[in-house]
Amino acid sequence: GAVVSQHPSWVICKSGTSVKIECRSLDFQATTMFWYRQFPKQSLMLMATSNEGSKATYEQGVEKDKFLINHASLTLSTLTVTSAHPEDSSFYICSASTDTQYFGPGTRLTVL
Amino acid sequence: QKEVEQNSGPLSVPEGAIASLNCTYSDRGSQSFFWYRQYSGKSPELIMSIYSNGDKEDGRFTAQLNKASQYVSLLIRDSQPSDSATYLCAVEIYNFNKFYFGSGTKLNVKP
Repeated sequence: GAVVSQHPSWVICKSGTSVKIECRSLDFQATTMFWYRQFPKQSLMLMATSNEGSKATYEQGVEKDKFLINHASLTLSTLTVTSAHPEDSSFYICSASTDTQYFGPGTRLTVL
Repeated sequence: QKEVEQNSGPLSVPEGAIASLNCTYSDRGSQSFFWYRQYSGKSPELIMSIYSNGDKEDGRFTAQLNKASQYVSLLIRDSQPSDSATYLCAVEIYNFNKFYFGSGTKLNVKP
C-alpha cells in the first residue's frame, strides 16, 4: 500500500521550454501533496504544499509563477516548470500524505 | 535555528555492529516523528514513525523518542552494507501535515 508514482522519471529539455511532472497516489487518496527539490549532495527542500481543489502554498523564495502546481484530484498533482533554465536542473520529488508522507520515485530534470 | 538538526556524518560502522543515528528538534509542539532512508540518486523511503515517548521496534530498527529532551534516535542492529545510505529525520509540528526534514546523516557500513 501507499504507492506514489511520478512521471516522467527523467527529462531533458532545452532552456526556455516548459516541463510538466505528474505525481499520483496509486492506492490511496491524498488530500495533501508536497513538492520537493533536491540538489546533489544536499537535503530535501520543500517547494510547495498542494491541497486538492485549492491554490498551492509556496515556501519562501519559490516563485509561484515559475513553478505552477495543480492539484486536480485526490490522486493527482502536477508541477510545471515554466521557462526552464539550466539552474532549474535538479531532482524533483513529490510526496502524498495520509498520516505520513510517502514519496514518489522522483523526476530528474536536466535543462540544457 | 533549524527546526530539525542531524549530524551530517559520515558515520562509519563495521558490518554487524549497531548504528546509532540521532536527531534533535526545536519545537516542543512537534507531534509526530519519522525516519526515512535515502539511497544515492533515489527518493526517500519511510522506515519508521514514532509518536510517543519510549522505544518502538521494527525488525532490526528501533526508534527512540524523548520529548522532554527533544531528541529522536534510530538504532540499526546487525548493520549490513545494504544499510549504507543517508538517513533523514522528519518532524511534524502541530499535525499540520507539514514535515520539517533534517539534512540527513550519511551512514557507511563497511564489510
